[in-house]
This record gives sequence, C-alpha cells and structure tokens, in this order.
Amino acid sequence: SAVISQKPSRDICQRGTSLTIQCQVDSQVTMMFWYRQQPGQSLTLIATANQGSEATYESGFVIDKFPISRPNLTFSTLTVSNMSPEDSSIYLCSVEESQYNEQFFGPGTRLTVL
Amino acid sequence: AQSVAQPEDQVNVAEGNPLTVKCTYSVSGNPYLFWYVQYPNRGLQFLLKYITGDNLVKGSYGFEAEFNKSQTSFHLKKPSALVSDSALYFCAVRDRGRRALTFGSGTRLQVQP
Repeated sequence: SAVISQKPSRDICQRGTSLTIQCQVDSQVTMMFWYRQQPGQSLTLIATANQGSEATYESGFVIDKFPISRPNLTFSTLTVSNMSPEDSSIYLCSVEESQYNEQFFGPGTRLTVL
Repeated sequence: AQSVAQPEDQVNVAEGNPLTVKCTYSVSGNPYLFWYVQYPNRGLQFLLKYITGDNLVKGSYGFEAEFNKSQTSFHLKKPSALVSDSALYFCAVRDRGRRALTFGSGTRLQVQP
C-alpha cells in the first residue's frame, strides 16, 4: 500500500492567517482526497483532487476558503485560508489505489486556530 | 445520496469476550464497504473491506465483518477482544460511481481488562 506523509503534523495559528498543508505519496496515484475531522466528530470530505484538473469540492466547501493544488501524481496541497477557530480540525489526505479499491490515509495535520 | 449509520457511540466489552460494532448503510446500487480504526493521535488505518463475493470478510488484527444485503448492514466483529483493540472505529461506504468515502459517526470501543 501507498505510504503517505503530511506536513506539518500539527500547527497553532492565529485567526485570519492561512496555512498550507502538504501531502506526499511514495507512488503515483490518480485519486487524492482531502478530509476534515472536527474535534470528536467523523470525517467529512472537503474535495477530490485529480492531477491536471480543478479540484471537485463537496457541498459546504469552496475553493476560496480551501484552495487545492495537485501539480503531479505524488503530491497535493490544501490551504486553509483566512482561518477562524471553527477551522480547528484534523485535516487528512487520502489516496485510492485502484487495484485495492480502498483508500489509505495520511497521519493527519492537527490544526488549532486561536 | 449515500449514508452510513453507526448507532452506538460507545461499546464496552470485557477482554476475551466477543465484540460487535454495528453499521448500517444506504447507497444506490451495490456498495463498497469499509472499516477503519483510529488510535489516539494517529491517522486512520484500514481494517477490511467488502467489494463482492463472500459475505464474511476477514481483515487485520483478527477482525471480520459480515455483509448483509437484506438488512443493509456491515457489522464488525471479533471473537475475542483485546485491551489493545480499544480505539475509535469508523464504517464507510461508497457506491460504484463515486470514488470518495462517506463515513459513519464512529464508535468508540472500550475493552476492559
């Protein structure tokens, strides 16, 4: 299975600032996903990021707030813009390896906004 | 729209006893079903999946799950619980036309020594 790393692992940020989270995979994958896990809650899909095309956002998430880049088949970034305390969450990237039909998750980025 | 329900916020079981964590789903067509486990301060780890074939699927760490189409359920089971199984368990589903997963609310499993 793919090995996924995320940077940073955690951060504490001030209200109104932005943070870019990186996701690196050790193999080429077509499908990458970004999820949010708010404190004590389940995972919610933010967007699907495919290389060479615009990210597809889920209802309630917009590109201005969560811009995503996918420059190649092993890397993606998610930016959380103009942060507020409500953005305090764990952000996880995942990849799907088509031969397995399952998604593998990165370790997550724990974001706290003050 | 696809959805997943995990009716129990928490399940308590004594070490050595069998455990069951419940999951029901709603999806158009035939589902892909998954169980993931999350240990404190760690990411999600894949446990097992149902894609097609045998209704009883076996996964990591001695866990298994039974797909029941008529009851639209995919309950996670283990014959003998370990204290180290204590964690947060998520059921997830996707239909065959959509690649992203929809997760249940999660069930915290507490295994007492």
